[in-house]
Parts: sequence; C-alpha cells; structure tokens
Amino acid sequence: EVQLVESGGGLVQPGGSLRLSCAASGFTFSNYNMNWVRQAPGKGLEWISYISGTITTTYYADSLKGRFTISRDNAKNSLYLQIDNLRDEDTAVYYCARSWGRGWFDSWGQGTLVTVSS
Amino acid sequence: EIVLTQSPATLSLSPGERATLSCRASQSVSNYLAWYQQKPGRAPRLLIYDASNRATGIPARFSGSGSGTDFTLTISSLEPDDFAVYYCQQRSHLFNFGPGTKVDLK
Repeated sequence: EVQLVESGGGLVQPGGSLRLSCAASGFTFSNYNMNWVRQAPGKGLEWISYISGTITTTYYADSLKGRFTISRDNAKNSLYLQIDNLRDEDTAVYYCARSWGRGWFDSWGQGTLVTVSS
Repeated sequence: EIVLTQSPATLSLSPGERATLSCRASQSVSNYLAWYQQKPGRAPRLLIYDASNRATGIPARFSGSGSGTDFTLTISSLEPDDFAVYYCQQRSHLFNFGPGTKVDLK
C-alpha cells in the first residue's frame, strides 16, 4: 500500500524557517516524481513545487520562487521542503503528493499544518 | 501562467440529481486536465485524469469531458458520499488548480 506521511509542521514566528519531511513507503520511491501542495485554512489547493525521481529537475510556482526549496533523498525514501523567511500567508496544511502518468497526483499524504504567527 | 476558472462556486443539489461542474482554462491545455475530490479534513483524491479517464476505483457515475479550454465533470446521480469540493488541475504548463466547486446538500 502506498503511504506518504508528512511531518515537521508547527508554530513558527514570522521570518523563521522550517523543513518539512514526507516519508514514502509501499512503492519504489526513486521511480516517481514528487510534489508539494498547500492549502490555507478555508482556501483552495496551491501547487508549490515538483522534483523528478532522478533529482535532475525541479519546478516551482512562479509566485513562490525564492523562499521554497524542494529536495529528496532516494536512499531514505524521503521528500523535503525547506521554507525560509516564513510569512503569515504561509499558514497552511502542506501535502506531499506523488506524480503518476502524465503528472497527476495519485497519492497524497495526510498533510502537516504550518502556522506562522508571533 | 494558465488560469483555471471553475463554475459555479457552489452547487446545491439533492441525492440522485445530476451534477455538472465546469472548468475553463485561460489558454489551451489540450487534455492535460484532472479532477480531484476533497472532503473536509481530508487530502484530495484523484477522480479523473487526462480529461476523461477515471482513476482506479472511481465509480462510473463520475465522468469527465472536454479538451482545449473547456472541461466538464459530471456526476450522473449524486450519492450522499459525493458532497464535497471538486478541483480541476492542469499540467500543460507546470501545475495549478482551479478555485474549486463545492457540491452541497440542497
């Protein structure tokens, strides 16, 4: 069974940094491209970033470039998202999602909540 | 950037009724479009990919159609479990989601 489990969320002060993790199991992690998607409270889904299985390619949403860094460790079956200079508007549930087929998000984690507040 | 617009924002229907949800792209995405269902407190679930293909385990009452800029998700006969928010997503140029359509109980 495919499982994605996010961790690393919590309460952070504005200007702080956070590293989110996503532990994958139940599939050959290195064979799949991966993504981060977030959802602010009561709002819609926002795609953040993509990384290829070979780690050769990364993409970011234009509006979020610069403060977010996606990475992965295929030996540890883990995906990461580094967020720097956190702002109030970064408060959201952050999901990792597996890409399948022509890039569709076929498996999602349960999400980890990041709250930015002083 | 490709902008996705979904209509209506809210659809109030009763079980057994037909639901028709629309997604329009600001430029052609060919058939690079998917639909997701999300229930409160849960992660989204892939329903339809490549505009018209049902994902694994998705009931036949869900169908997708369209290409280019105009797409439709149809739920032929609403079940109680179908009341949720539905998002379209394109991946023709990077990825992004529409704002969602909430299907709620009339």
